[in-house]
Amino acid sequence: GDSVTQMEGPVTLSEEAFLTINCTYTATGYPSLFWYVQYPGEGLQLLLKATKADDKGSNKGFEATYRKETTSFHLEKGSVQVSDSAVYFCALSPNQAGTALIFGKGTTLSVSS
Amino acid sequence: EADIYQTPRYLVIGTGKKITLECSQTMGHDKMYWYQQDPGMELHLIHYSYGVNSTEKGDLSSESTVSRIRTEHFPLTLESARPSHTSQYLCASVGYSRSYNEQFFGPGTRLTVL
Repeated sequence: GDSVTQMEGPVTLSEEAFLTINCTYTATGYPSLFWYVQYPGEGLQLLLKATKADDKGSNKGFEATYRKETTSFHLEKGSVQVSDSAVYFCALSPNQAGTALIFGKGTTLSVSS
Repeated sequence: EADIYQTPRYLVIGTGKKITLECSQTMGHDKMYWYQQDPGMELHLIHYSYGVNSTEKGDLSSESTVSRIRTEHFPLTLESARPSHTSQYLCASVGYSRSYNEQFFGPGTRLTVL
């Protein structure tokens, strides 16, 4: 079945460092791909998405490119801030309409000043 | 902005109490979900509903029950809370638009059972 694998955390960085969180997926067909972010004490919120191969999703300085050939959707940010400290979830949407997304296990990012 | 709500946000109760966690959404979504989030932050699906009067158990066994009498409302009930039920509970709904599924989450309920 469909699945998502993302790098284990925690990831600890200094402010202004470069961030990469790896995500790979297994799916039939052509799923849409997402990154969600969960700040402390809150629910998950959509960070960015890509709905077809070679699409680049971007938001708040974060980017991820849908790579069909490597089945990957790595999250990147050029310069992280303390306020980016959160848990990041990679997810895919199965092709069946209205079906819940399949989530990775989450990666905790901690940024220090 | 997501229109999905959960109450209470935080709850501390004693063992043996009956509790209901509320979840409601105003987006008209048929499909709704309850997740339990473990200390490592992984999400575990415990219940889902595809519409009114439809409920199913998820991948993770749970002693909780759910009901779906109205489209917008999907409460979760624990008949007799135990310390092992201490966790973060997240409610979500899914809509389909522009050729992809979009999932929205509530803010969560942090439950502590003493």
